[in-house]
Amino acid sequence: GAVVSQHPSWVICKSGTSVKIECRSLDFQATTMFWYRQFPKQSLMLMATSNEGSKATYEQGVEKDKFLINHASLTLSTLTVTSAHPEDSSFYICSARDISGQGANNEQFFGPGTRLTVL
Amino acid sequence: AQSVTQPDIHITVSEGASLELRCNYSYGATPYLFWYVQSPGQGLQLLLKYFSGDTLVQGIKGFEAEFKRSQSSFNLRKPSVHWSDAAEYFCAVQGGNSGYALNFGKGTSLLVTP
Repeated sequence: GAVVSQHPSWVICKSGTSVKIECRSLDFQATTMFWYRQFPKQSLMLMATSNEGSKATYEQGVEKDKFLINHASLTLSTLTVTSAHPEDSSFYICSARDISGQGANNEQFFGPGTRLTVL
Repeated sequence: AQSVTQPDIHITVSEGASLELRCNYSYGATPYLFWYVQSPGQGLQLLLKYFSGDTLVQGIKGFEAEFKRSQSSFNLRKPSVHWSDAAEYFCAVQGGNSGYALNFGKGTSLLVTP
């Protein structure tokens, strides 16, 4: 159990276009999902906390108008990279916290990641 | 400031040798501690976690970690490394100002030689 999926797994887009990445909890409900980005050979950095039914909380330095997050249901959060530029190329990983207590309440389950390349 | 430190960027061990990856944290109280492994181009897999109780934690794939409060450490160990263990290892901490979000160390890249 506790599976998190991401779609797409990889995407290549032109500079200036927008890209949407989906994060789904497949077998549990998640009021809270997290979005991380990882540059090559670096660690994961938290971008934002996505809360179902409310606005996302962004970390300092993350542009909320550029990285739009929507958490419309208990199983789906989306990250839209607007007007993408080459410097946005990265590995984006989401995680979800199971509200029902599968695993320990504090455990997060990670998606497989989405590799974005902006040309 | 809250921080997670993995002092070793790269570690090389021979197959069959023992392994210890270091992790130190700086938090106001005892946080929740995790070790994840990431293979190239892949997502994260949880190896083990510590919330409370027994300070020696057993995980998957033969890994274990020991929480030492006095040293603010949570080092990962494996008695005998396999070639398939070559990957990136991340220590992560949850708690304090970050709430449920995870604060990751910079990672340690493990290379296993024949």
